[in-house]
Amino acid sequence: SYVLTQPPSVSVAPGQTARISCGGNNIGSKSVHWYQQKPGQAPVVVVYDDSDRPSGIPERFSGSNSGNTATLTISWVEAGDEADYYCQVWDSSSDHYVFGSGTKVTV
Amino acid sequence: QVQLVQSGAEVKKPGASVKVSCKASGYDFTNYGISWVRQAPGQGLEWMGWISTYNGDTNYAQKVQGRVTMTTDTSTSTAYMEVRSLRPDDTAVFYCARAYSGSYHDSWGPGTLVTVSS
Repeated sequence: SYVLTQPPSVSVAPGQTARISCGGNNIGSKSVHWYQQKPGQAPVVVVYDDSDRPSGIPERFSGSNSGNTATLTISWVEAGDEADYYCQVWDSSSDHYVFGSGTKVTV
Repeated sequence: QVQLVQSGAEVKKPGASVKVSCKASGYDFTNYGISWVRQAPGQGLEWMGWISTYNGDTNYAQKVQGRVTMTTDTSTSTAYMEVRSLRPDDTAVFYCARAYSGSYHDSWGPGTLVTVSS
């Protein structure tokens, strides 16, 4: 089955840039989606299809995907960005959705 | 607006079954699938399976195959997930989420906590 690997944690100072990686075999050939989950809340999609943002998501959130790594970038990090972040793809070989292990962002 | 409303928290004994509901509103229910996602305490998101609200086709994660059944009632725009033979390590929050087929999940329910304890 397809596996997505994320670093357990990322620490960033306010106003700086956070980069969260999501590794997978030839992930660049897939569409990657990113979710933000704050404690006690349901996940919210912040980036879909590698780099698109749903309405209402700040431009500070951006994504890229190439080769074996996709990256979620949070620019000008704010205290309110502190959350768990998960990447997700659709694995067409198994017809399964796959989530990454999650990254805790500490500001 | 799109809304997914889930049934309330449950406490079950090991070996029992639980059926969680997810009532959709604000869109045409049969235009999008529904995924169910599990999150054990302090753990990450685990996709359990998906159901087509159009024709009832299902696709389950290997880990839960045979123990989970997903269904829908299009007359009430409600999706259901039943988990049988519950074990203590099934204790988790279960989310339903609207799924773009083969893509991402754009709307999520608030989650249903299922606690399995003797």
